[in-house]
Amino acid sequence: QLQMQESGPGLVKPSETLSLTCIVSGGSISSNYYWAWIRQPPGKGLEWIGSMYYSGRRYYKSSLKSRVTISVDTSNNHFSLELSSVTATDTAMYYCARHVPGRDYFDSWGQGTLVTVSS
Amino acid sequence: SYVLTQPPSISVAPGKTATITCGGNRIGSKSVHWYQQKAGQAPVLVIYYSRERPSGIPDRFSGSNSGNTATLTISRVEAGDEGDYYCQVWDDGTEHVEFGGGTKLTVL
Repeated sequence: QLQMQESGPGLVKPSETLSLTCIVSGGSISSNYYWAWIRQPPGKGLEWIGSMYYSGRRYYKSSLKSRVTISVDTSNNHFSLELSSVTATDTAMYYCARHVPGRDYFDSWGQGTLVTVSS
Repeated sequence: SYVLTQPPSISVAPGKTATITCGGNRIGSKSVHWYQQKAGQAPVLVIYYSRERPSGIPDRFSGSNSGNTATLTISRVEAGDEGDYYCQVWDDGTEHVEFGGGTKLTVL
């Protein structure tokens, strides 16, 4: 059974770069899926950040595109998120998820990691 | 961007039927997916491709999609069904994933 686990700092200073990693176990990150990041500000709804296929095809939310990089490490079976120039509005629970081919639904999610942007 | 509209909240008595709608322009032509998120937990897929149930999801959960409205129906509602429910689509025009704003289901 696929398991996904986010890791990274829980506190990031304004203007710095948020970096998170999602470790995938029970399945290969080189399989026919996209790998995605989704966030949820406290008390609010879900916001898709972007998705990436292991071979390189990426889709990013337009409003975040200038600040976001998603990358895949096939050797270590994990993928990562970098979000630059963060502000308090980037404070959220960040989830990694597996995105079924055809850019459709998310069938497996990590438990999430809370990132707070504060000085 | 493609906008999905959900009612913020609904309340249902145990044993009754909960109906959660997701409105969008010609949403009937899209595949709609639904997630359940219980308090403090990650979302869980409950319906995909508008009406398909993943393994392990009770058959009390069903979906439909036509015209400008997709619907998630939960029959014989139980206390454990409480939580937030989100609809989601892929928009081919913008190549974006879009989520609805979510509906909080309260079991009375």
